[in-house]
Amino acid sequence: DAEITQSPRHKITETGRQVTLACHQTWNHNNMFWYRQDLGHGLRLIHYSYGVQDTNKGEVSDGYSVSRSNTEDLPLTLESAASSQTSVYFCASSFAIGNTIYFGEGSWLTVV
Amino acid sequence: DQQVKQNSPSLSVQEGRISILNCDYTNSMFDYFLWYKKYPAEGPTFLISISSIKDKNEDGRFTVFLNKSAKHLSLHIVPSQPGDSAVYFCAASDNQGGKLIFGQGTELSVKP
Repeated sequence: DAEITQSPRHKITETGRQVTLACHQTWNHNNMFWYRQDLGHGLRLIHYSYGVQDTNKGEVSDGYSVSRSNTEDLPLTLESAASSQTSVYFCASSFAIGNTIYFGEGSWLTVV
Repeated sequence: DQQVKQNSPSLSVQEGRISILNCDYTNSMFDYFLWYKKYPAEGPTFLISISSIKDKNEDGRFTVFLNKSAKHLSLHIVPSQPGDSAVYFCAASDNQGGKLIFGQGTELSVKP
């Protein structure tokens, strides 16, 4: 079955470290997204991509970067992890504009 | 500035009764609205959507109502079941690219 997978599912890292969260989808979807979920804020968009070599900033992009070198993957990098980036991160994808967005199961990141 | 707002963090309903979850938005460019359901430790899953050209969409026990003049939408669940207990997120898109803007979420608890 086609799916969207995130790794690692749980990670603890130290302040200042670089961290990369992987996202891989096998649906051949053009659009991919990264959200973070925090209590009281819901799901906030970090970065998104509408195709290979395309990346865009979302609502809360500071301190994060993404790259899209192929259709299947959109890794999220925290350049220098901060405690404020402790959160649950969700990757998502959709085939095209107007199509339903499907989410991965989440990556729990703790920055100590 | 929160473009999509869910002002009720939680809602408790008796099994068999109606659950009504509310959502307000500020951006008049939004033309597609969705509800997602989220269980703990899982990614959000798509529940139901509505286009701005409609004012109602029904799918089994779930109905979404859209009032464009008030910039308000609501999700009705009838009858509510204990398995409906989850966090419900309202989301909106301007359909210019497919990215979704989410509200803060409402935690629904359905008591047996």
